[in-house]
Amino acid sequence: DVKVTQSSRYLVKRTGEKVFLECVQDMDHENMFWYRQDPGLGLRLIYFSYDVKMKEKGDIPEGYSVSREKKERFSLILESASTNQTSMYLCASSLPTNGYTFGSGTRLTVV
Amino acid sequence: QKEVEQNSGPLSVPEGAIASLNCTYSDRGSQSFFWYRQYSGKSPELIMFIYSNGDKEDGRFTAQLNKASQYVSLLIRDSQPSDSATYLCAVEGKYGNKLVFGAGTILRVKS
Repeated sequence: DVKVTQSSRYLVKRTGEKVFLECVQDMDHENMFWYRQDPGLGLRLIYFSYDVKMKEKGDIPEGYSVSREKKERFSLILESASTNQTSMYLCASSLPTNGYTFGSGTRLTVV
Repeated sequence: QKEVEQNSGPLSVPEGAIASLNCTYSDRGSQSFFWYRQYSGKSPELIMFIYSNGDKEDGRFTAQLNKASQYVSLLIRDSQPSDSATYLCAVEGKYGNKLVFGAGTILRVKS
């Protein structure tokens, strides 16, 4: 089975901090995605990547950046964390047309 | 109009009944369709996918697709309390990389 591992299950950060969320997949998937999920708003796409060193903006990229230096790793960066970035962050990977496999999620609280 | 629409529920069914979850989508070029189950506090897990018009069965689950009506559904037979979760419909566009998710339907199975 594909495994998608997110480095932290829970994180608490202070406003203004730079935050790194790490995601690693072990099945050589080309596509990787970062979503946030908030009650009533569903899953919203932040950034995605189809290849190493490639990234594309999703629906809500403001305040975020990403890095994909290796095929298996896709990092989400909050440049200066704000309270409105408190959320559940979900990483996913996939092959084309095969649907996603999600990581277990990181619940980030910004205080 | 949202790209993928689901009734938010909650849908309540008695144990042993058939639960019927529905989803409509707006992009006629969509090729692949997925159902995810998400338990509270957990990440989504893929339970069914369907590419062709008609029905696809897997155990107690049946996915139904009607591309002409832009409609996809999930039937859960012999519903169990453990089926209580949020069910997310996801649609993949014609370029086969990115999923668009509905907001999800909450299912409650009462024993």
